[in-house]
This record gives sequence, structure tokens and C-alpha cells, in this order.
Amino acid sequence: NAGVTQTPKFRVLKTGQSMTLLCAQDMNHEYMYWYRQDPGMGLRLIHYSVGEGTTAKGEVPDGYNVSRLKKQNFLLGLESAAPSQTSVYFCASSYSSYGYTFGSGTRLTVV
Amino acid sequence: DQQVKQNSPSLSVQEGRISILNCDYTNSMFDYFLWYKKYPAEGPTFLISISSIKDKNEDGRFTVFLNKSAKHLSLHIVPSQPGDSAVYFCAASFPGGATNKLIFGTGTLLAVQP
Repeated sequence: NAGVTQTPKFRVLKTGQSMTLLCAQDMNHEYMYWYRQDPGMGLRLIHYSVGEGTTAKGEVPDGYNVSRLKKQNFLLGLESAAPSQTSVYFCASSYSSYGYTFGSGTRLTVV
Repeated sequence: DQQVKQNSPSLSVQEGRISILNCDYTNSMFDYFLWYKKYPAEGPTFLISISSIKDKNEDGRFTVFLNKSAKHLSLHIVPSQPGDSAVYFCAASFPGGATNKLIFGTGTLLAVQP
């Protein structure tokens, strides 16, 4: 099925550990985004990319890094996880503002 | 600074009645507004949208109204069905944006009671 695939779906990290969340899309979309969803906060943009090899900061970028080495993949890295990064992470891709396709999310718990 | 606000965290309605979800925004430069629907353990999916040059857009049971002077939009669902129970996010975008970023609200949990 065409769409956005996120791996892993669940993860528990200890404070200070690192990990990478992978987002892959097969729709040839130029734009890709990482959001986090927290209770009462809605969806907040972490980082985004407007094309292969480009990345930019969103609303809440601190503590995260991203890379877009291939057009179809957008990686979100946590170098030193903190409990405040416990959240549900959503990746999305689009051809315009009007065509966002979201992945099913990664639920991350940092203990 | 929340540019898109959904002041009602939750809403409960009876099956068959109308559901009205509200959204307010602060930036008058937004030119396009969207509603997304999210079920548990799934990503948000697009529901309906409206351009800032219109005041109403209808798609089946779903209608979005835009009041630019009040910086307010609403989503009407008529009639409401139990399968409509989900979290609804409103979102807004800037004109001609090279980034196509969407600014999302905090979401409203709709529960439709059978």
C-alpha cells in the first residue's frame, strides 16, 4: 500500500540513550515533516524538509536532529533522550499544504 | 504562542444529532484551513478544507464554515454517527509557502453516543 511508514511503532528508552526514528514514503513527495503529539498540545512541528538534502527547524526542534539523504526517507534522531521527549511522533509527507499523508505514529517512552 | 486554538478539549453528542467543532486562529495571513480526523493508534487523515476566499465548503455530512472577521472556523457533522468518534484537529497554512507547513490546533475529542 502506498503511504508513509514509520518504524519502530513503540520504543522505551532510558534517559541518555539515543535512537533514530525512520520515516519512509513511496509517493515521491518533496516535503516531509516530523510532528510530536502531546496531551493538550496538539501536533507540534519538530523539523521538516522541502527536498532531498534539505532540512529546517520547526516549532520545537531542541533535542532532535534530522537527515534527508534520500528523497523517500526522513530520519529523526534523539542523541540523548530525556523524559520530556516522551510523546507520540508522527511523520508526514506532502506535495502541498493540502495533501498531507501521515504515518501511523511511533509511541516513545523515556524513563 | 498558539496561532490555532481549539478551546474545547472534548465534545459529546447523541447519534443523529449535529456535532459542531470550533477553531480560532490569530494570524490573519492564513489562507487555507483544513480539518483532520484521528482515530486511536492511527495517524491523522484529511477530512475537509476551505480556502480563505470562501465562507463555506460542504462534503456530504461534513461542512466547514469560515468567518474571517472573527478569525473563526467550525466543522459541522450532520447527522453524527458513532464512527465519527475521534480526535479532530484544525490546521492552517500560509499563502504561497515554500515549505507547505501546517499549523495545527490542540484537537477536540468527539464522542458520538449511540
